[in-house]
Amino acid sequence: AQKVTQAQTEISVVEKEDVTLDCVYETRDTTYYLFWYKQPPSGELVFLIRRNSFDEQNEISGRYSWNFQKSTSSFNFTITASQVVDSAVYFCALSVNRDDKIIFGKGTRLHILP
Amino acid sequence: ETGVTQTPRHLVMGMTNKKSLKCEQHLGHNAMYWYKQSAKKPLELMFVYSLEERVENNSVPSRFSPECPNSSHLFLHLHTLQPEDSALYLCASSQDTAGRDKNIQYFGAGTRLSVL
Repeated sequence: AQKVTQAQTEISVVEKEDVTLDCVYETRDTTYYLFWYKQPPSGELVFLIRRNSFDEQNEISGRYSWNFQKSTSSFNFTITASQVVDSAVYFCALSVNRDDKIIFGKGTRLHILP
Repeated sequence: ETGVTQTPRHLVMGMTNKKSLKCEQHLGHNAMYWYKQSAKKPLELMFVYSLEERVENNSVPSRFSPECPNSSHLFLHLHTLQPEDSALYLCASSQDTAGRDKNIQYFGAGTRLSVL
């Protein structure tokens, strides 16, 4: 069975600080995809990134970076120089290649304080 | 125009009412999904449609009835709901349920439903 754990329920940091959101996943499949989504107060989930299980290269997109480590089954997300607009709930998710489903974690609510 | 549009954004209904949620996607996708998001619970997948055929029904009570008349529109018909059905209902779409980009889902803003 697949599972995604986001142990941090809620995080508050002051603007301009860096913050890392943790994600640990479980699957016995060798081919799988990992995702991060952002849910701002408006409600929609915004797709941020998808990585497949064969690509462990870290990725950077502006102030966002992702650290994928198969050895620890983790796919952590770091926001550098955080801004108030980064305040949202962030979901990590997992999908296996043979399935249509995306298994979401419970989310981490991030507060960026001015 | 946003990719996935849901209406209404907010809905209050009594337990004996019948209402429908609407979702429309403008992305040319072939697959559409309904999710339920309750407080302090993970997102729950309810239904999956691919090319207008239902391919997934996750043991959802019959008081929720989906309809997909074409690949751009998805409805969720509601009747005799319970207070515990109060939640944010999210619609999503993806290119397809197969293929390289099959599992990148794009979401609407949701309908916040309150059942009194």
